[in-house]
Amino acid sequence: EAGVTQSPTHLIKTRGQQATLRCSPISGHTSVYWYQQALGLGLQFLLWYDEGEERNRGNFPPRFSGRQFPNYSSELNVNALELEDSALYLCASSPQTRGETQYFGPGTRLLVL
Amino acid sequence: GENVEQHPSTLSVQEGDSAVIKCTYSDSASNYFPWYKQELGKRPQLIIDIRSNVGEKKDQRIAVTLNKTAKHFSLHITETQPEDSAVYFCAASKPGNQFYFGTGTSLTVIP
Repeated sequence: EAGVTQSPTHLIKTRGQQATLRCSPISGHTSVYWYQQALGLGLQFLLWYDEGEERNRGNFPPRFSGRQFPNYSSELNVNALELEDSALYLCASSPQTRGETQYFGPGTRLLVL
Repeated sequence: GENVEQHPSTLSVQEGDSAVIKCTYSDSASNYFPWYKQELGKRPQLIIDIRSNVGEKKDQRIAVTLNKTAKHFSLHITETQPEDSAVYFCAASKPGNQFYFGTGTSLTVIP
């Protein structure tokens, strides 16, 4: 069974640009979660999608947004990039929103110059 | 919402000794408590989990205990090895809700 995949693995942008990160969940998983992990820090919850709907978002500004497609893959968009957006962005998926285990992808490392 | 606190933030042990990491949670409705291990440069991976109807669960050198009354749960690693060195995250969740992660514990096993 293929795991969670993310693309690209690395992304370099300049301040003010937009970044798009993609995630494909494990087959059969309907929930996708996005986390930001700045260097040496913990997992900051960004967004949660299930069945195409945004279920909840963390304490991040509106320039962090995303969507979930009918095939349950997901996209995270970050507009007006700032230097402090540099981080590892992790996507996780789970079967359903019923306290099931989340499985993480390898992450996209975003560097904002 | 749920609040998960994790201690200690860093932990160093000699190889062969035991390591214990503790987490507390605030929402008594939380009923699922996973632990993740994140090695440097890698993704977090589930190492063990426990549900609220169980008090303890073991998997070889790793065990997790849960005290629902006190709302805390702990990860125990026995006979530590250098490859156990990593950052460990605890989390809590309830049905129909997201995970709430602790802030992580950086474990170093000294050979």
